[in-house]
Amino acid sequence: QLVQSGGGLVQPGGSLRLSCVASGFTISDHYMDWVRQAPGKGLEWIGRIRTKSYNYATTYAASVRGGFTISRDDSENSVYLQMSGLTTADSAVYYCARDQGVGRNEDAFDIWGQGTMVTVSS
Amino acid sequence: QSVLTQPASVSGSLGQSVTISCTGTDNDIGAYKFVSWYQQHPGRAPKLLLFAVDSRPSGISNRFSGFKSGWTASLIISGLQAEDEAHYYCSSYTKSATLVFGGGTALTVL
Repeated sequence: QLVQSGGGLVQPGGSLRLSCVASGFTISDHYMDWVRQAPGKGLEWIGRIRTKSYNYATTYAASVRGGFTISRDDSENSVYLQMSGLTTADSAVYYCARDQGVGRNEDAFDIWGQGTMVTVSS
Repeated sequence: QSVLTQPASVSGSLGQSVTISCTGTDNDIGAYKFVSWYQQHPGRAPKLLLFAVDSRPSGISNRFSGFKSGWTASLIISGLQAEDEAHYYCSSYTKSATLVFGGGTALTVL
């Protein structure tokens, strides 16, 4: 499973770091992604971090590029989402998710975190 | 960021079948077989139903099936049950090496 932490209330322009700790499997074999869902809205893919074999390369959605950074610590079995320059449009439930592919992308998320709410408001 | 096009809502009677479409472009659905479908109940995380267009993860009922034709992927739910009432999302890999989700479809079981 994936257990998330780090959400909460932040002022516009502020920063926040979300954490996602895996148990029961080793994230080192998997691409890890972040997805968000604004209240009452659909799912929005944020970005992914690849495995060591791919130099931990990251890709981001255009909507968050430059403001969000995904990182991972395979020794801690954890993945992180650093968010800066937050605006009210970033208010959403944020999910981390495991790509089920082993060592490659299958673009299918078989394990999801429980979600953590981020509220950007003054 | 493009969004795959899904109907906002569909409905079907208990025991019947429904089809949910997901239309993209030749930059996403038309280019790859990396199409997945998710089910989401209120307040819950999404659940993977199908991957690679028509493959079911272990534990997913064979009432869920999928196919793709050109730029459009479809999810078919047969033998509708009350617990199928949920939101459904498609996703696809894109030529930009990103992923894109559909806007979501609310399924009502009558």
